[in-house]
Formats: sequence, structure tokens, C-alpha cells
Amino acid sequence: ETGVTQTPRHLVMGMTNKKSLKCEQHLGHNAMYWYKQSAKKPLELMFVYSLEERVENNSVPSRFSPECPNSSHLFLHLHTLQPEDSALYLCASSQETNTEAFFGQGTRLTVV
Amino acid sequence: AQSVAQPEDQVNVAEGNPLTVKCTYSVSGNPYLFWYVQYPNRGLQFLLKYITGDNLVKGSYGFEAEFNKSQTSFHLKKPSALVSDSALYFCAVRGGFKTIFGAGTRLFVKA
Repeated sequence: ETGVTQTPRHLVMGMTNKKSLKCEQHLGHNAMYWYKQSAKKPLELMFVYSLEERVENNSVPSRFSPECPNSSHLFLHLHTLQPEDSALYLCASSQETNTEAFFGQGTRLTVV
Repeated sequence: AQSVAQPEDQVNVAEGNPLTVKCTYSVSGNPYLFWYVQYPNRGLQFLLKYITGDNLVKGSYGFEAEFNKSQTSFHLKKPSALVSDSALYFCAVRGGFKTIFGAGTRLFVKA
């Protein structure tokens, strides 16, 4: 596919659970992103990592915690989520922060 | 601050007819502009981009887009639509570390 793999594809979690989303890119890119896609809303940029350093944090609630251990992997740690956090979470990567992004297929998250 | 507007929630076109999906933007400095397509239950796929140069940009699957600086527009076009083009289309503008996406336009191509 695009060279960006997200796991799991689907996740159902309770509001008291802790879970993590994983993203891996095989493209040799040096920037990675988390986006949130909710129904009938624009795509929301959550976090940007460039060269493994977080360079953008778009006022995301602290119940979302990103981690970028190396240039190929990106995680999104989730805890005490709310039902309104249910959405499609997309990971993307790019060679530089001003070039086109390649997206994973997303994780469909449902918070119950 | 940069922004992107896609004024149409939905565009309907008959197969074989030309299609246009509209996008206007606001950004300080020179814009980096992109179009992406999303099929059901999939991530976004890159279609084309404008960085500099020729105002008419050609991309994947026969799509093209025209950059118009005076109108701050970057409309997506295709001369002859296919049923398989039915999908959700996003315009995006990049400034610094951020890429801002429009709300998306759903394209329906009827056979």
C-alpha cells in the first residue's frame, strides 16, 4: 500500500482503559503525524514529529500522549478517553515537513 | 494563519462529463497546495501538489489542478469522470510544520 502501517485497524475501549495505537513507516521519512478524523468535521492535526522531536502539539487533551522512539515508529497512548474521542485516527509521514504526506489506513476507535 | 475552504459538501457529475472540485486558501507567503483522495475505510492518498512553476499541475488518475494566485484558488479538475472516481476529496495547504486540510468534498459520479 502506501508504506505506512497502522495497528490495530479497529479498537473498542472503555473510558477507564489504557490502550496504544501504533504506526510504522517503511519509507525512510523523517516527519510523522497524528490526525483525527471525525464525521462531518475537517481533518484535525494532533501532533507533528520531525527528526523524532515533537514540533507541533495542537492543543490536544493530555489523555492523548504521543511517543516517537525512532524515525520509523509513532505511538499514540490513550487513557481515560471520552465518547467524543471516537473517530478515525490517521498516521502519516513525509520526507520533510513541506512535502506531501503518505497516510496509513487509520485506526477506527470507539470509546464506550 | 492559514486556512482552506471547500465550499461544496458534495459534487454530483455524470460519468464521462468533466468534473471540478473547488478549493480556496489563505496563507501568508508562498503556498504549498495539495489534493488528496479518500476511499471508504481507507487513509488519504496523495493526488497532486503545487509548490512552484506551472499553474496547471497534473497528478494521478488523470486529475489536474489549476493554481490561481489572484483568486487564491486551487480547483481540482478531470476532463472525463469515472464512476470509480467517487470518493471524498481533500484540499490542503502547508505552512511551516502544519498541513491544514479542508472539510472535504464528496464526489458522486453516476453511471
